[in-house]
Amino acid sequence: SQTIHQWPATLVQPVGSPLSLECTVEGTSNPNLYWYRQAAGRGLQLLFYSVGIGQISSEVPQNLSASRPQDRQFILSSKKLLLSDSGFYLCAWGRPNGYTFGSGTRLTVV
Amino acid sequence: SQQGEEDPQALSIQEGENATMNCSYKTSINNLQWYRQNSGRGLVHLILIRSNEREKHSGRLRVTLDTSKKSSSLLITASRAADTASYFCATDSGGSNYKLTFGKGTLLTVNP
Repeated sequence: SQTIHQWPATLVQPVGSPLSLECTVEGTSNPNLYWYRQAAGRGLQLLFYSVGIGQISSEVPQNLSASRPQDRQFILSSKKLLLSDSGFYLCAWGRPNGYTFGSGTRLTVV
Repeated sequence: SQQGEEDPQALSIQEGENATMNCSYKTSINNLQWYRQNSGRGLVHLILIRSNEREKHSGRLRVTLDTSKKSSSLLITASRAADTASYFCATDSGGSNYKLTFGKGTLLTVNP
């Protein structure tokens, strides 16, 4: 079956610490993958998307980076977190008939 | 940038009533999609309507699209308490990357 996994579910990190969020997809090959961030009570902001291994498109210049080391793996990283990086991060797998989202990671930077 | 803008931002109704949410967008689209998000969870795809379609149904959901007005509406009939969630419209402007731009959402509360 086709599924998407995202972890961890929650994360509390101090300012200046590194970040690594992972997303993996099962049951498909060469998926289009996306990282979105959702601020409290707000819509989704597209951060990065990838249409293949090593291919990353950045939508918003910021303190984050993304990588796609394997076909079904998409990683969101930061070398030094800022308070403004707090939010709900969602990974998604895109197809012509719509997206399948992961369960999200609630990141709180303290 | 936000392409879709939902209206209203929040809607509170009684169980059994119909709920209507609207979405406006700015540029031409290939399709428009509606998603649902329960509090603290990921989004779930509800329905997709293509730019050459005017209306689509799925169960208790009815979606309309007016490309001349760049607007869409989502109607949930006979609402239930379990329909309480945030609803987002998202636009796909075309291209092989299937990139979606989401609105800010409508928070629907259905009171039992």
